[in-house]
Amino acid sequence: DSGVTQTPKHLITATGQRVTLRCSPRSGDLSVYWYQQSLDQGLQFLIHYYNGEERAKGNILERFSAQQFPDLHSELNLSSLELGDSALYFCASSGARDNSNYGYTFGSGTRLTVV
Amino acid sequence: DQQVKQNSPSLSVQEGRISILNCDYTNSMFDYFLWYKKYPAEGPTFLISISSIKDKNEDGRFTVFLNKSAKHLSLHIVPSQPGDSAVYFCAASIGYGNKLVFGAGTILRVKS
Repeated sequence: DSGVTQTPKHLITATGQRVTLRCSPRSGDLSVYWYQQSLDQGLQFLIHYYNGEERAKGNILERFSAQQFPDLHSELNLSSLELGDSALYFCASSGARDNSNYGYTFGSGTRLTVV
Repeated sequence: DQQVKQNSPSLSVQEGRISILNCDYTNSMFDYFLWYKKYPAEGPTFLISISSIKDKNEDGRFTVFLNKSAKHLSLHIVPSQPGDSAVYFCAASIGYGNKLVFGAGTILRVKS
C-alpha cells in the first residue's frame, strides 16, 4: 500500500457520460498530481494541485476538470466522455522533500473504459 | 512534442546479465531525472534518481548514468533478476517537486 488511495479501481461507462475519479493523498502530502496513461503511451501529465490551489496544467482537455478539497483529497471530473478517454488515470502525491522517494508516490490507478 | 523519449519499447535479458535501459531528453532545462518501475495493475514506484550536478548514482543493483552533453541517461541493472520484469519509465523535471515528464516506457523481460 503506497498510502495514496484511488477510487474506483475500475469504471465502465458509456460515451457522453460524466465520471468522477477520487484520490486521497499520502498523509501529510500537500501536492496532488493527475496523470493519464493511454494504451502504449507514457504517463501524460494532466494537472497539479498544491494545498487546494492549481499549480500547473498539462494537456488536460476542456472536458476535464479537477479540484483539491480542504481535506486535501482531489477529484478529477471527466465529462462528455469519448472512446478515446479510455485509459488508466493515476494520482500521485508529494509533500516535504524526501530524497528516498523524490516525495512522489503514486496510487494504483483507476482504469476507465468508455464503451 | 515528446520531451522525454524511450526509443526501445521492449528489452529481453537473461537472468544474471546486465539490463541497460536508455532514455533521451530534449529540454536542457531538466535538472532532475528519475526512473520508475511499474508492475501490471499497480502504480509506478520510484526506483532511482539523479540530479544534473552528478553523472552517476548507484543504489544496490541499480545505477543511473547521466550524460548531459548528449542529453541521455541510462539505467543499468546488474545482475538482472526475473522479478525485475516490469515496465520502466524514465522521467524528468525542471526543479525539485515540479511536474514530471515521462517517457513512453520500456518493457523489460528477464528470462530465467
